[in-house]
Amino acid sequence: EAGVTQFPSHSVIEKGQTVTLRCDPISGHDNLYWYRRVMGKEIKFLLHFVKESKQDESGMPNNRFLAERTGGTYSTLKVQPAELEDSGVYFCASSPLARHYEQYFGPGTRLTVT
Amino acid sequence: QQQVKKSPQSLIVQKGGIPIINCAYENTAFDYFPWYQQFPGKGPALLIAIRPDVSEKKEGRFTISFNKSAKQFSLHIMDSQPGDSATYFCAASWSSYQLTFGKGTKLSVIP
Repeated sequence: EAGVTQFPSHSVIEKGQTVTLRCDPISGHDNLYWYRRVMGKEIKFLLHFVKESKQDESGMPNNRFLAERTGGTYSTLKVQPAELEDSGVYFCASSPLARHYEQYFGPGTRLTVT
Repeated sequence: QQQVKKSPQSLIVQKGGIPIINCAYENTAFDYFPWYQQFPGKGPALLIAIRPDVSEKKEGRFTISFNKSAKQFSLHIMDSQPGDSATYFCAASWSSYQLTFGKGTKLSVIP
């Protein structure tokens, strides 16, 4: 069974530019989460999809972040315009409906905003 | 309060030793306490988890001890190996699904 995949693995952009991160969850996992880890800090929750619906977006830092999950499959997280404080590692995780606690993480996308 | 606090920040043990990483939480609504293991360049991997109705859970060389009254839980690694060198994250969750993480403990097991 393939794990959670994320693309790109690393992105370097300038302040003010736009970046889109992609996550492909484990096949059959209806729950999809985005988390972020800023250097030296905790991994923090951003939002949660159940299928294509946003269930909880309480962790989204501001309206420069937009997450979508087309057709309940892959998800994208767009940052527009990017700011320096957006730098960090963005993780995607997925879990099945029946065992929603068991979240499986992808390798992350390291975003560097210069 | 949502916080999960862990100690220590880093830990160095000899091969065969038993590193112990402690976490404390504040929100008594938490009902699921996983530990994640992360190797460099990889995402966190679910290692072992416990619910508050049990005081201890073992999976292979990994054990979680849970103290509900103290609002603490800890990870013990028996007969530690150099391959266990990684960053370990404690986390907590309740029925809202999102995980609240501690900061991570970097474990180094030296031969």
